[in-house]
Amino acid sequence: GESVGLHLPTLSVQEGDNSIINCAYSNSASDYFIWYKQESGKGPQFIIDIRSNMDKRQGQRVTVLLNKTVKHLSLQIAATQPGDSAVYFCASQTGGSYIPTFGRGTSLIVHP
Amino acid sequence: EADIYQTPRYLVIGTGKKITLECSQTMGHDKMYWYQQDPGMELHLIHYSYGVNSTEKGDLSSESTVSRIRTEHFPLTLESARPSHTSQYLCASRSLPINQPQHFGDGTRLSIL
Repeated sequence: GESVGLHLPTLSVQEGDNSIINCAYSNSASDYFIWYKQESGKGPQFIIDIRSNMDKRQGQRVTVLLNKTVKHLSLQIAATQPGDSAVYFCASQTGGSYIPTFGRGTSLIVHP
Repeated sequence: EADIYQTPRYLVIGTGKKITLECSQTMGHDKMYWYQQDPGMELHLIHYSYGVNSTEKGDLSSESTVSRIRTEHFPLTLESARPSHTSQYLCASRSLPINQPQHFGDGTRLSIL
């Protein structure tokens, strides 16, 4: 069955560094991918998404890269700030389905 | 910021009690979802709804039920709470078009004694 997993459960970075959070998915039919940020005591918050017809998408300080060949996506955060400290989830979805599959989450810790 | 609200935010209650977790959204979204989440872990789908009078079970059997009588309201009920139900419960909604993200509430943290 489809699974979405994250490579590292915890990532520690210094303030100002760039952060890269990775995610692997198993279903080659997945065609829509979403990154969420979940702060302590809150629900997941949408950050950025990407469709399978794209390799890269940029937002404000965030970039998502999609490699369909190896079924891998990453979230890059530029100039990481203490406010970026949170758990980050990737999710994948298959065309026509309204049910995303979530990975386990990576905890990003930003040291001032 | 998404307009989806969950109450209560925290609940500590004894075993065997009937519990209803409330979820309401003001975005007119047809699709709504309930997830169970342990801290820092992935989200497990409990129930979902594609619209009024539509409810489906998700992957996780949580011995709970849901109803969808109104578009904006999607309550989750545990008929007889057990310690194994201790967890965080997240409600989400999304709009109809494909390739849209979900909007989440801030969750209910439930502790069953």
